[in-house]
Amino acid sequence: AQSVTQLGSHVSVSEGALVLLRCNYSSSVPPYLFWYVQYPNQGLQLLLKYTSAATLVKGINGFEAEFKKSETSFHLTKPSAHMSDAAEYFCAVSVVIGDMRFGAGTRLTVKP
Amino acid sequence: DTGVSQNPRHKITKRGQNVTFRCDPISEHNRLYWYRQTLGQGPEFLTYFQNEAQLEKSRLLSDRFSAERPKGSFSTLEIQRTEQGDSAMYLCASSATGSRGDIGELFFGEGSRLTVL
Repeated sequence: AQSVTQLGSHVSVSEGALVLLRCNYSSSVPPYLFWYVQYPNQGLQLLLKYTSAATLVKGINGFEAEFKKSETSFHLTKPSAHMSDAAEYFCAVSVVIGDMRFGAGTRLTVKP
Repeated sequence: DTGVSQNPRHKITKRGQNVTFRCDPISEHNRLYWYRQTLGQGPEFLTYFQNEAQLEKSRLLSDRFSAERPKGSFSTLEIQRTEQGDSAMYLCASSATGSRGDIGELFFGEGSRLTVL
């Protein structure tokens, strides 16, 4: 079955620094890959989605992710962190409708 | 507000009691999903409906868990004889049918937090 592993349960960066959140996937067939963000006391919100159309995917709030099949990775990046980016980030994989599997999440802290 | 709505937002119950959560999806979405999220973990898939048909329920955690979507609109998730281990956030999400079977974006509600004493 498909799965994702998020490397690092907590990441701390300074405001203005590069954000890099790591996600590796496992799938026997070409996957759909997603990044979601969860702010405190809110539901999960889609940041971006990979569907095989392009390996570099741009999302909301300046985030982007690159699909690398050779590395089975889908890391999330943002060139310059903002205080408002502090949240929990989840990577997810799906190969069939109705079965989306999430990683354990990475909590991003942004220091002023 | 036209997003996914979940009620109640918080539920505190005693062990052994039954609880029911309700989810109202985005109105034009035909797919509805239930997930459970425990502290420090990502959402864990429980079950999935397409219209009123429950297409996947093997991942429900035990036979104490059941879900319905009788008219293809709102859904309920019931937990019978609650146990302390059932304490978690229960998330509902909905999605629309994508083109060519595309796996579309899930839109999540804010969740229903269950505390079993």
